[in-house]
Amino acid sequence: ETGVTQSPTHLIKTRGQQVTLRCSSQSGHNTVSWYQQALGQGPQFIFQYYREEENGRGNFPPRFSGLQFPNYSSELNVNALELDDSALYLCASRREGTDTQYFGPGTRLTVL
Amino acid sequence: LAKTTQPISMDSYEGQEVNITCSHNNIATNDYITWYQQFPSQGPRFIIQGYKTKVTNEVASLFIPADRKSSTLSLPRVSLSDTAVYYCLVGDMDTGRRALTFGSGTRLQVQP
Repeated sequence: ETGVTQSPTHLIKTRGQQVTLRCSSQSGHNTVSWYQQALGQGPQFIFQYYREEENGRGNFPPRFSGLQFPNYSSELNVNALELDDSALYLCASRREGTDTQYFGPGTRLTVL
Repeated sequence: LAKTTQPISMDSYEGQEVNITCSHNNIATNDYITWYQQFPSQGPRFIIQGYKTKVTNEVASLFIPADRKSSTLSLPRVSLSDTAVYYCLVGDMDTGRRALTFGSGTRLQVQP
């Protein structure tokens, strides 16, 4: 519906492992943001990429990193997973010059 | 980044009009006001966006007073499927500083 897809839908990892989450945005949406949403809370901004470069970051440690590719896809990488990393991870994209972000369905990450 | 304040929860009945008010006292000149709807385990869905006065689309209306320190989302004739969390956000269109700050949202429960 929004044209933003995420994979995988669900993922289970153990503490200390690394994970890569993927997002595919609409054509022409050259800005992508990633959010972490813990149960019962609003989404928290992780970082934003614009034209393949990070240009904004929330209060998340460096073990959260990302990539954006020319084909409007992006990745969120999390190293050294901790139990508190268990959450719904959302990506959102928008077209340059607009303020409306379109969210994907999210990836539910569980860290055991 | 402007901070928003919304009621934690609201209850309504099918067929009623629901108005959710959001306070944003520190809204900046370039900030737009955007509302999102979120169902459990899904990404937020864009509802409506405005800068001043009144905006209406096929699903909602957004009322913004002259001082822009608050805004009201109006949902006409709600149904059970409108049960969700509603988030009010403010932000500007500057690509370099873009980050949506979500509060805890308003949990709307629609009863039959």
